Amino acid sequence: NAGVTQTPKFQVLKTGQSMTLQCAQDMNHNSMYWYRQDPGMGLRLIYYSASEGTTDKGEVPNGYNVSRLNKREFSLRLESAAPSQTSVYFCASQGAVTEAFFGQGTRLTVV
Amino acid sequence: GDSVTQMEGPVTLSEEAFLTINCTYTATGYPSLFWYVQYPGEGLQLLLKATKADDKGSNKGFEATYRKETTSFHLEKGSVQVSDSAVYFCALSRDSGTYKYIFGTGTRLKVLA
Repeated sequence: NAGVTQTPKFQVLKTGQSMTLQCAQDMNHNSMYWYRQDPGMGLRLIYYSASEGTTDKGEVPNGYNVSRLNKREFSLRLESAAPSQTSVYFCASQGAVTEAFFGQGTRLTVV
Repeated sequence: GDSVTQMEGPVTLSEEAFLTINCTYTATGYPSLFWYVQYPGEGLQLLLKATKADDKGSNKGFEATYRKETTSFHLEKGSVQVSDSAVYFCALSRDSGTYKYIFGTGTRLKVLA
């Protein structure tokens, strides 16, 4: 039972480069989320998708875009990476009456 | 706006010591409250939850009681083990439809043998 799978696990980007973080879940959950985790700040919501075909901004959406490709997949795109986006990124999914399940995270460094 | 405040870490304890990690919240209405745990190199896992006032969540020897009068959800364990070393996050969720969590900053626990 894979749960929530994120790729890649580690990435180093140069300022201005773009990349897409991938997330897939196999639990048939409707809701999916992207969070970033920074030291001393806990997890902050970037974007979420309540169901296939819908996306909404969270607390810190600037500099990011998302795509809910289908019910399983929810990707996060950085169009022009900045050092301030250095962080650990977590994807999560949630069913109607369950808690959120998190992936193992992507550690991104922008130099 | 809604917020969660946790005690700052790190917390260092000897094995078999008693653990308390304080968590207080600010929210309108009646949020659900959660404790998540993050082991090194892993994602967050739900440890326990409580959905209404006076509920007690418990799991793996950890407990927390939803106290509306003090807006608190303190995590306790009577006897910690080295394997409990991790980062613990308190969180709340207020939306009934989409569960958008608000997390505390996390408390790192280190248990020494």
